[in-house]
Amino acid sequence: AQSVTQPDIHITVSEGASLELRCNYSYGATPYLFWYVQSPGQGLQLLLKYFSGDTLVQGIKGFEAEFKRSQSSFNLRKPSVHWSDAAEYFCAVGPYNTDKLIFGTGTRLQVFP
Amino acid sequence: NAGVTQTPKFRVLKTGQSMTLLCAQDMNHEYMYWYRQDPGMGLRLIHYSVGEGTTAKGEVPDGYNVSRLKKQNFLLGLESAAPSQTSVYFCASRTPGSPLHFGNGTRLTVT
Repeated sequence: AQSVTQPDIHITVSEGASLELRCNYSYGATPYLFWYVQSPGQGLQLLLKYFSGDTLVQGIKGFEAEFKRSQSSFNLRKPSVHWSDAAEYFCAVGPYNTDKLIFGTGTRLQVFP
Repeated sequence: NAGVTQTPKFRVLKTGQSMTLLCAQDMNHEYMYWYRQDPGMGLRLIHYSVGEGTTAKGEVPDGYNVSRLKKQNFLLGLESAAPSQTSVYFCASRTPGSPLHFGNGTRLTVT
């Protein structure tokens, strides 16, 4: 079955610390992978996407993610977290035609000063 | 540049009442979607449309209907609201091959 797993429901980090949010997927075909961020009361905003090519992709707000086919993972990273990064983060996977986009259940990030 | 606009932002309904949520996009996108977001469940696709006059069922379509009479608008209707439909509803749109653009959501409570 096709699925996306975000194992961490809630993560707390100190401002300035590094961050890694985990995403594992199960998908039968070539996956197209996305990370979205949702601030309170807002819709989802695309952070970055992976379709093909370089497995390390850069996104907005200083985020990056690495596609590892052998591990079926697409983890999101940031070297130094800012208080404004506190939000909920969603990983998603789908075909090129994203009508069948599958979302993970999200990871809520809390940042302490 | 408004992007994707959802109205209303909040709504409270009593069980059995009906309502329509409106989604409007000004980006000339072909595809439009309605999702619901529930705690611990991520986003689930309700219905979607790949063009004016067309609609299709998503993962959780029961209890909802949709219409796409104009390219820029996508309506989500609840004919007889149930408490299980208490959720946050998101509209999204895109062009073929591009990622989704989301609205800011509608919080619906059914009592």
